Amino acid sequence: QITLKESGPTLVKPTQTLTLTCTFSGVSLRTSEVGVGWIRQPPGKALECLALIYWDDDKLYSPSLKHRLTITQDTSKNQVVLTMTNMDPVDTATYYCVIVDSGWYAFWGQGTLVSVSS
Amino acid sequence: DIQMTQSPSTLSASVGDRVTITCRASQSINNWLAWYQQKPGKAPKLLIYRASSLKSGVPSRFSGSGSGAEFTLTINSLQPDDFATYYCQQYNSYSTFGQGTKVDIK
Repeated sequence: QITLKESGPTLVKPTQTLTLTCTFSGVSLRTSEVGVGWIRQPPGKALECLALIYWDDDKLYSPSLKHRLTITQDTSKNQVVLTMTNMDPVDTATYYCVIVDSGWYAFWGQGTLVSVSS
Repeated sequence: DIQMTQSPSTLSASVGDRVTITCRASQSINNWLAWYQQKPGKAPKLLIYRASSLKSGVPSRFSGSGSGAEFTLTINSLQPDDFATYYCQQYNSYSTFGQGTKVDIK
């Protein structure tokens, strides 16, 4: 059974850096074609892919947010960490961790709501 | 960036109806397309990948078709559990989602 859980702050101040951790089980990031990604969804709005990291440590970022994002993995802990700098109120959203299988998002975490406010 | 446009944005239907949602890409994405269902307050769930492959455990009333730049998700005989928002996602070049189609009760 594959499970994922997001953890991190629920509230950050503008200009601060957000750090989110995805802890997963039931799958290994050493498996070919498997990756972990971060998707966000502002309240009432559509989904947006932020960053992906693959089994071979290949990393992909949203072109519009690339300058603010870093994704890393710790295969020994089955964790993937996303950092996003210079947070702004427009970054208020539910952030999801996903398992990527050959491009599609096969499994999703429950999501964590992050609010940006002073 | 590849833009994904879904239509309609909202669709009102009744139980038992056949429902079709369209997703258009701004350029060809071959068949690198997935469909998801999302209910309020919940994470999306994968329904279809590679444009027409049904994820294991998803009811057979869901089907996907298309290739190139135009795709459809069809729900045959809409059930009460199907009222939700549906998203398409391309993964030909990085990854982008459509804006969503809400299927609500007529």
